[in-house]
Amino acid sequence: GNSVTQMEGPVTLSEEAFLTINCTYTATGYPSLFWYVQYPGEGLQLLLKATKADDKGSNKGFEATYRKETTSFHLEKGSVQVSDSAVYFCALSSSGSARQLTFGSGTQLTVLP
Amino acid sequence: NAGVTQTPKFQVLKTGQSMTLQCAQDMNHEYMSWYRQDPGMGLRLIHYSVGAGITDQGEVPNGYNVSRSTTEDFPLRLLSAAPSQTSVYFCATIGGGSSYGYTFGSGTRLTVV
Repeated sequence: GNSVTQMEGPVTLSEEAFLTINCTYTATGYPSLFWYVQYPGEGLQLLLKATKADDKGSNKGFEATYRKETTSFHLEKGSVQVSDSAVYFCALSSSGSARQLTFGSGTQLTVLP
Repeated sequence: NAGVTQTPKFQVLKTGQSMTLQCAQDMNHEYMSWYRQDPGMGLRLIHYSVGAGITDQGEVPNGYNVSRSTTEDFPLRLLSAAPSQTSVYFCATIGGGSSYGYTFGSGTRLTVV
């Protein structure tokens, strides 16, 4: 079955530091890949996505590239801000009518001023 | 633009009680789903629906019931609450086409004592 393995947290960085959160997956076929962000007390929001190999998703300074050869979708940001403090989830959606999402366990990011 | 509305936001139940978590969407999306979020486990799919009158089980369906009589509403019923059902519950919808963009509600935090 499908699975997503995410870098263990929590991660604490200083403002303007470089961020990488690793994500690898196991899936049959050609899944779509996502990063979701959850701010305290809120639901999940789509941060970025990629639907085929070598696609790069980007949003709000965050980037992730769909690497089929390494089955990875690592999240990066060049300079984090305090407002980026949140929980980040990597997820995949397999092809087919169900379009169910399979989530990683989440990574808590705290950015200190 | 309400999107996905979940009620209540918080609930405390005694073991054995039943209750219904409400989810309503105003985006005319066919696909709706319920997830539970537990620490260190990401989100896990409980039940989903691909349209009015059609529901199916996800990864963790035991102890939960759903129905879908309209496109807008997708309630989740706890038949006899157990402490293991203490969790945060999220309802999500997905639009049509190839974007696979999920929209999540803000969640219901349920505690079973």
